[in-house]
Order: sequence, then structure tokens, then C-alpha cells
Amino acid sequence: AQSVAQPEDQVNVAEGNPLTVKCTYSVSGNPYLFWYVQYPNRGLQFLLKYITGDNLVKGSYGFEAEFNKSQTSFHLKKPSALVSDSALYFCAVRDGGSSNTGKLIFGQGTTLQVKP
Amino acid sequence: DGGITQSPKYLFRKEGQNVTLSCEQNLNHDAMYWYRQDPGQGLRLIYYSQIVNDFQKGDIAEGYSVSREKKESFPLTVTSAQKNPTAFYLCASSMNRGRVDTQYFGPGTRLTVL
Repeated sequence: AQSVAQPEDQVNVAEGNPLTVKCTYSVSGNPYLFWYVQYPNRGLQFLLKYITGDNLVKGSYGFEAEFNKSQTSFHLKKPSALVSDSALYFCAVRDGGSSNTGKLIFGQGTTLQVKP
Repeated sequence: DGGITQSPKYLFRKEGQNVTLSCEQNLNHDAMYWYRQDPGQGLRLIYYSQIVNDFQKGDIAEGYSVSREKKESFPLTVTSAQKNPTAFYLCASSMNRGRVDTQYFGPGTRLTVL
């Protein structure tokens, strides 16, 4: 069965420091991986996705994510955090080996708190 | 959120009432989705539709119903059979080009049962 785990409920970083939000996944086929960000009482905004190719994916707002097949991970990173990056972050996976239903499986979310 | 609208933003329902949440998109997307968000549980799929006049149950469809009569519209009805309907409801759409699709989300509707 497909699953996504975000092992940290909350990540705290100081402004200007690098940040990492962790995500691990389990799928039977090739994984298609996504990161979304949610600000309070808002919908999810797409940040980036990995389909195939280069393991380092660059996305919106200076975020990037590194796909690691051996560790089944897709951690979100940013070299220098901003206070405005404080939000709820979701990792999601679609199983490339399953039927084409378009279904995404989401992690439970990680709250990122960037302090001035 | 662009291109996907949800209304109302806040909705209050008395127990035993059915309510309908609206989702409209002007992105010309074929596929549309409804998710429910509860604190600490991420998003769970309620229903999805890959094409007009067709839809499938997601993981938590009990107590909900949908229709897809028009490409741009995918309303969700929360029926009185849904035992715990208080949640944040998110609608999404995608082009339905296959597994590489990106889903784009609306701003959400917060439903509270009084």
C-alpha cells in the first residue's frame, strides 16, 4: 500500500538558516512525489514535484527537494529560511505502478516555524 | 489558489441537515477532487472525477455525495449520514494527463456543525 510519512510535526529554524522538512514514502511502483505549502485557512499551494530525472528538484520560492531512491526519501530544503516561510507543509505521493486514478496520498503535514 | 473557487468560505450546519459545497474551476481541467482536512491527519480523498458525468469514491466517501454535470463544476453534498462533518474541505483539479498531473487547490470551505 502507498504511504507517506512526515516524521516531524514541527520544525523550528532561525531566519537565514537552512531548513529541511523530511518526507519518506512507500510505493510499489515508481514514485511521483509532490510538496505543497498551506498558509492558515487557505488552500494548498504547489511547490514542486519529482517525476523522473535529476534527483534535485527546484521549485517555487527558492525551495528544492532531493529525491533519494535508496532511502525512499524526498526531503524539502531551502538554503536560507524566511519568516514568511512559516506555514504547514505537505508531502504527497502517487504510485506510478498503480492504475491511473490520479489519487494522491498525503503525509500528515509538518509545521515550519521560522523565527526572526 | 488561482482558477479554482470554493464557496462559501465558512458554512455552519445544524445536525440533520444536508449542505452543499461549491467548487468551480476555469482552468479547463478534466479531473476534479474533494479532500477533507482534519488537524494532524493530512488530507483524505472523499470523491474524485476524471471526466464529466463520471466520478469515483475515494477513501472516506460515506456520508458524502457528488455530481459532475459540467466540466467546470464539482459540488459536494455533506449529508446527515456523515457522523462527524466538521472539517476543512478542499477541492482540487488537474488536467488528467496521467500520473504526472499536478493537482491545484481551491481556497477551501470550513464547515462547522452546530
